[in-house]
Amino acid sequence: GQQLNQSPQSMFIQEGEDVSMNCTSSSIFNTWLWYKQDPGEGPVLLIALYKAGELTSNGRLTAQFGITRKDSFLNISASIPSDVGIYFCAGLSATDSWGKFQFGAGTQVVVTP
Amino acid sequence: DTGVSQDPRHKITKRGQNVTFRCDPISEHNRLYWYRQTLGQGPEFLTYFQNEAQLEKSRLLSDRFSAERPKGSFSTLEIQRTEQGDSAMYLCASSSTTTYEQYFGPGTRLTVT
Repeated sequence: GQQLNQSPQSMFIQEGEDVSMNCTSSSIFNTWLWYKQDPGEGPVLLIALYKAGELTSNGRLTAQFGITRKDSFLNISASIPSDVGIYFCAGLSATDSWGKFQFGAGTQVVVTP
Repeated sequence: DTGVSQDPRHKITKRGQNVTFRCDPISEHNRLYWYRQTLGQGPEFLTYFQNEAQLEKSRLLSDRFSAERPKGSFSTLEIQRTEQGDSAMYLCASSSTTTYEQYFGPGTRLTVT
């Protein structure tokens, strides 16, 4: 089962607002990935993080690898309607084998005009 | 780069029937992963391959599930004697051996009636 706690579960925001979400774990992770998934489609990779403290941007998206290596954060600035979707974090535990990522349950983002 | 493809996109089957799904990874990727995703949850790891070798299987993968990657290129996931609880989205992802970044296909939505 999933061991990542992702919050919030959902967010209803107005266009132009910033969005923040996070994932936490009781385990130490070596890698964090952030994905966006539209209904009926597979997740699309947004950002990859490999080092504690790392801050990486992809357009209006910024993600950080927490210093404790047990959490990660994703921010979306100046949201637009196409930001609607479900955002997932995925972490690779230091004790798991290559590629066996654990996923959070997702944060559903709804943007209203 | 055509991305990861999956076939079929949708499958409706009656309980007790066998089904087989296909995944074609990104051509230069050696690693291939299968996940299962149910409504409101993130993807759950099922199994992964490096080239043709199946290196790890989740406990979620019961004896009714089998995956193959005979030539180290495409992969198939077969479910025998399907049950209603098998209804889910089955996702395939691939990655190279030099990065942890996994790229997903569009998924196969299975409905067992």
